[in-house]
Formats: sequence, structure tokens, C-alpha cells
Amino acid sequence: NAGVTQTPKFQVLKTGQSMTLQCAQDMNHNSMYWYRQDPGMGLRLIYYSASEGTTDKGEVPNGYNVSRLNKREFSLRLESAAPSQTSVYFCASSDRGRTNQPQHFGDGTRLSIL
Amino acid sequence: AQTVTQSQPEMSVQEAETVTLSCTYDTSESDYYLFWYKQPPSRQMILVIRQEAYKQQNATENRFSVNFQKAAKSFSLKISDSQLGDAAMYFCAYRSAYAGNNRKLIWGLGTSLAVNP
Repeated sequence: NAGVTQTPKFQVLKTGQSMTLQCAQDMNHNSMYWYRQDPGMGLRLIYYSASEGTTDKGEVPNGYNVSRLNKREFSLRLESAAPSQTSVYFCASSDRGRTNQPQHFGDGTRLSIL
Repeated sequence: AQTVTQSQPEMSVQEAETVTLSCTYDTSESDYYLFWYKQPPSRQMILVIRQEAYKQQNATENRFSVNFQKAAKSFSLKISDSQLGDAAMYFCAYRSAYAGNNRKLIWGLGTSLAVNP
């Protein structure tokens, strides 16, 4: 019962470094999402992928890029990390064909940019 | 655009008592879905309960139930017989039923629930 798996769980970067957050789901879901969660800000959508081969911007896409590698995997890349990107990042997936189905979340990645 | 408002940043309840968390939303759509998610200190996001807007009957999952008032655009969560394990951040979320929005969720800012022994 893996569900949604995110790696790594924790990461510390220096300003200007790059890194990729990995996400994989084994539920055969079409749609995948990347969120960031900051204190007092709730969850904000960074990017999403409605289906394999498509990606779209969410509320806060600046400074990020994504790749929907295949149906299972959806990665988030920080090309040049900034302290403002310190946050907890969540990946989620959902079954596109059934709108009442919830999004299933990974355990999150705590990212600190120094 | 749709919005979700949780007006109570923090709530507390005594163990075994009942607590109600409020959520209101704004939409011009008639068909949509509403969710309550729980986020304990472990950070996992766990679905608590869901409600389809076309259903008049309020959803119930064990000790969790909702009071869905479509005309008032209100979707409150009632937790009965509160347990220490219910202590968490609770998020209300909205999703349109229309295909064009790609199933995105609109989130409230959350309510932090403390359960006192």
C-alpha cells in the first residue's frame, strides 16, 4: 500500500543550488499535483498535471518547473533555490475520471533554503 | 473564482466532548464536492469525509459528520466523542464537478484543533 511516495523527506540547500523533488504514485491515477504548505497560508498549488503529457501552472509556479515523466511520476524542480522557497512540499494524485474522489497525498518533503 | 473560508484558526475541545469546525465557501456553480482533510503532527494529509453537493443527506463517517447547508454555502464538521488522536489541523476543500478545472482543490487555511484530556 505505497500510495504516493515522495523523496526526499528532508533537504537543506544553499541559495542558488538546484534540486528535484520526486513523486511517484501506484494507484494508476491520471492527475497529479504539487503543493507547498507554509504557516498561515494553507496549501497552495504550484503545478498540476491533469494527465500524462500535460502540465499546467497553479497559484504559485514562479521559481519551479515540473516534469510528468510517465503516468506514475511527477517531479518538481527548483532551478535556483531561494530562501522564500523554504516550505513543506506535498505531492498528491487523484483519479481524473471520478470527480468525487479525493486527492491522495504523499508524506511531504521539508525543504530548507539557507 | 471559488473561495473557501475557515473562520476559526484555533479550536479546543475536552476529550469525549463534541466540537464543530466551520467552513464556508463561495461559488456560482451548482455541482461540486466538498472535503475535510486532517493533518496531524506527522504532516500526513488524511481524508476525513466528503460530500457531494447534489446529495441532501449529510455525510457521516463514524464519529465525524457534516452539516451541509447548500443555500448558505456552509460545510461544517462535527466531531463527536473527541479523542486525543483527533488533535490536528483540519482543512476544508472545494472541488468543482465541471470537467474544465482539472479537478483542482480550493483549500481553506485550516483550523488547528487541540483536544484536552
